[in-house]
Amino acid sequence: AQTVTQSQPEMSVQEAETVTLSCTYDTSESDYYLFWYKQPPSRQMILVIRQEAYKQQNATENRFSVNFQKAAKSFSLKISDSQLGDAAMYFCAFHDTGRRALTFGSGTRLQVQP
Amino acid sequence: DTAVSQTPKYLVTQMGNDKSIKCEQNLGHDTMYWYKQDSKKFLKIMFSYNNKELIINETVPNRFSPKSPDKAHLNLHINSLELGDSAVYFCASSQLNREEYTFGSGTRLTVV
Repeated sequence: AQTVTQSQPEMSVQEAETVTLSCTYDTSESDYYLFWYKQPPSRQMILVIRQEAYKQQNATENRFSVNFQKAAKSFSLKISDSQLGDAAMYFCAFHDTGRRALTFGSGTRLQVQP
Repeated sequence: DTAVSQTPKYLVTQMGNDKSIKCEQNLGHDTMYWYKQDSKKFLKIMFSYNNKELIINETVPNRFSPKSPDKAHLNLHINSLELGDSAVYFCASSQLNREEYTFGSGTRLTVV
């Protein structure tokens, strides 16, 4: 079974600074996808970024980028130029193409200080 | 024009009652899911349906019964509600070979 570990229950960053959220996963699959989701207090699950395991290039979406290390099974999220609106719970998630379901990490609560 | 809509958004009910949560998606996706988010924010899959067929049925009490009348709808019926069922329940959908998930806004269930 796949497992996803987020070792940082809480993180804090100053506005305009950069923060990195950690995620590691364990799987024997070779074909899978990795995601970061943002959950603000509204509780809506918002897709931040998506990475396909067969792609070596790290995914980037505006201020959000990932460092995908397949051999190390690591998938960290970097948020640049942090904004107050980035404050939320962030979940790392794993999807294997066979099972077709998401396995989530326990989440990291990000606070952004003005 | 909401992509995945769940009703109700909030549900407060007494122990022992039976309740349903409805979910509809207008994205034409072939797979729908129910996830449960507990009080510690942990998200776990409960069920998935592909074209009305049950695919994933995690270790969930059989008081929970999903029903999919068509591939655009997946409802969750819960019998004999218990205090421990209090959680946020998310419906989601995805499409094979695109592997992108769209989530509903969640239903906060409170059992008193």
